[in-house]
Amino acid sequence: AQKVTQAQTEISVVEKEDVTLDCVYETRDTTYYLFWYKQPPSGELVFLIRRNSFDEQNEISGRYSWNFQKSTSSFNFTITASQVVDSAVYFCALSEARNQGGKLIFGQGTELSVKP
Amino acid sequence: DAGVTQSPTHLIKTRGQHVTLRCSPISGHKSVSWYQQVLGQGPQFIFQYYEKEERGRGNFPDRFSARQFPNYSSELNVNALLLGDSALYLCASSSPRISGNTIYFGEGSWLTVV
Repeated sequence: AQKVTQAQTEISVVEKEDVTLDCVYETRDTTYYLFWYKQPPSGELVFLIRRNSFDEQNEISGRYSWNFQKSTSSFNFTITASQVVDSAVYFCALSEARNQGGKLIFGQGTELSVKP
Repeated sequence: DAGVTQSPTHLIKTRGQHVTLRCSPISGHKSVSWYQQVLGQGPQFIFQYYEKEERGRGNFPDRFSARQFPNYSSELNVNALLLGDSALYLCASSSPRISGNTIYFGEGSWLTVV
């Protein structure tokens, strides 16, 4: 069975703090894709990153970085020097190769609040 | 380039009524998926269509149906609406050829059933 767990329901930080959002996944497939999406109050899911299961290199994009560890089935997301505009709900999601382009399994989401 | 577009943005329906939600994928994307997101939860997969054929179906009752048109746009239909159908309905599109396996979402249709 496929499952994505985001244990942190809500996180509150003060601007300029670093914050890490945790994501743990379960799948029996050897080829799969992991995603992070940002959902502001407007509702749209904004794509942040896609990672293939065979590529364990960590990635950095500006203030965002992602740590993918297959050994612990985790795909954590860190925001450095957080800003108020980072406030949103963040979702981690899993797509198995046989469902490519289609079915995503989402975690429950982590609501991040960045206070000035 | 336009992203995934959905209509209507907001709508209110009465229990027992029927609703049709519409989605236009990103230009060139042939796969469209639908998700339901209830308040406070992550999105749940409803359907995937690729080249007008159903490729996947989530655990939703037969009251939910969808189709994809020759121009790859899609409709989601829900019959006999229940209060529990109140949710944000998200449409997503993808194209292995154009954007790999990245799935892009629209802004959603907020459905309230009263």
